[in-house]
Amino acid sequence: GQNIDQPTEMTATEGAIVQINCTYQTSGFNGLFWYQQHAGEAPTFLSYNVLDGLEEKGRFSSFLSRSKGYSYLLLKELQMKDSASYLCAVRDRGSQGNLIFGKGTKLSVKP
Amino acid sequence: EAQVTQNPRYLITVTGKKLTVTCSQNMNHEYMSWYRQDPGLGLRQIYYSMNVEVTDKGDVPEGYKVSRKEKRNFPLILESPSPNQTSLYFCASSRDPSYNEQFFGPGTRLTVL
Repeated sequence: GQNIDQPTEMTATEGAIVQINCTYQTSGFNGLFWYQQHAGEAPTFLSYNVLDGLEEKGRFSSFLSRSKGYSYLLLKELQMKDSASYLCAVRDRGSQGNLIFGKGTKLSVKP
Repeated sequence: EAQVTQNPRYLITVTGKKLTVTCSQNMNHEYMSWYRQDPGLGLRQIYYSMNVEVTDKGDVPEGYKVSRKEKRNFPLILESPSPNQTSLYFCASSRDPSYNEQFFGPGTRLTVL
């Protein structure tokens, strides 16, 4: 079956670094995605990994290990506006582009 | 401005009264998709479309219909809504199925009484 796990909630302090983990078990793999979703709004694309390693984009980085079925999203220099849910999603090789989403991690950034 | 639009944004209706939620994109995208988002369950795919006149079921298609007569539009139809279809619905589009980024519409909050 398809399963994507990520923590339900996390709390961090403004200016700090936080790592949000995601583990997945899917029948195939054709890429892992991270989306950000503020409360009541649409998800917005953050990052994409298909090969092992780290992808950096400004304050955000995403890491993938395909052999371990594991990814993390790293947020540096946290700002209050980073308070949001972070969604991990996997594209199954045979799904023709369809994404399987985890339930999301709600991050609260405190002053 | 490149965008995905949905209408209505909010809807309260009663059981059994047919409704349609429209979705339109102005980016000439081939791939479009509908999701529902429920607390504790995350985003789940309802239907998707690879191109005009090509649609297929996602993970939770029961109780929904879609059509793709034009490239830009992908309406979601609830023929006989029930309370368990109360949810937040998102339409999304992508240049093609293999493209990395899906663009999401603003969402439609549906309540079925």
